[in-house]
Amino acid sequence: GDSVTQMEGPVTLSEEAFLTINCTYTATGYPSLFWYVQYPGEGLQLLLKATKADDKGSNKGFEATYRKETTSFHLEKGSVQVSDSAVYFCALGKRGDKIIFGKGTRLHILP
Amino acid sequence: NAGVTQTPKFQVLKTGQSMTLQCAQDMNHEYMSWYRQDPGMGLRLIHYSVGAGITDQGEVPNGYNVSRSTTEDFPLRLLSAAPSQTSVYFCASSYGEFTEAFFGQGTRLTVV
Repeated sequence: GDSVTQMEGPVTLSEEAFLTINCTYTATGYPSLFWYVQYPGEGLQLLLKATKADDKGSNKGFEATYRKETTSFHLEKGSVQVSDSAVYFCALGKRGDKIIFGKGTRLHILP
Repeated sequence: NAGVTQTPKFQVLKTGQSMTLQCAQDMNHEYMSWYRQDPGMGLRLIHYSVGAGITDQGEVPNGYNVSRSTTEDFPLRLLSAAPSQTSVYFCASSYGEFTEAFFGQGTRLTVV
């Protein structure tokens, strides 16, 4: 069945470092891809999304490109801040099925 | 904008007690769902509903009941709480099963 695999955490970086969180997926058909972020003590909120191959989603300095050839949707940010410390979830959604979430990657940014 | 509202935020139960976690949304979404989040386990789907009067089981439904009498409300019932149900519970809603989901703030439940 369909699935999402994202890199294990925690990921610890210094402020202003470059961030990559890997996400790969297995799915039939044409899924939409999402990144969600969960700040401490809160629910998940949508960070960005892409609905078809080669689309780039972006928000708050984060970007991810829907790569069908590598079945990937890696999250990147050029210069992270302490306020980016959170748990990040990759997810896929496909018509006729439910959203599938990855297990989440905890990110710590050190000042 | 209220979005998805969950109550209570925190709850402590004794083993064997029952309770209902409330979830309400004001976005007229047809699809609503309940997840539990445990350390290292990510999100696991408990039950979901594609519209008023229609519910179905997710990945981990045992020990939980749901009903959907209105579009707005989707309560989750624990009939006889067990320590294994200690978790953080999230309600979510969306236009469709596969579209962007909006989450509540969560309910942290401890069963002793």
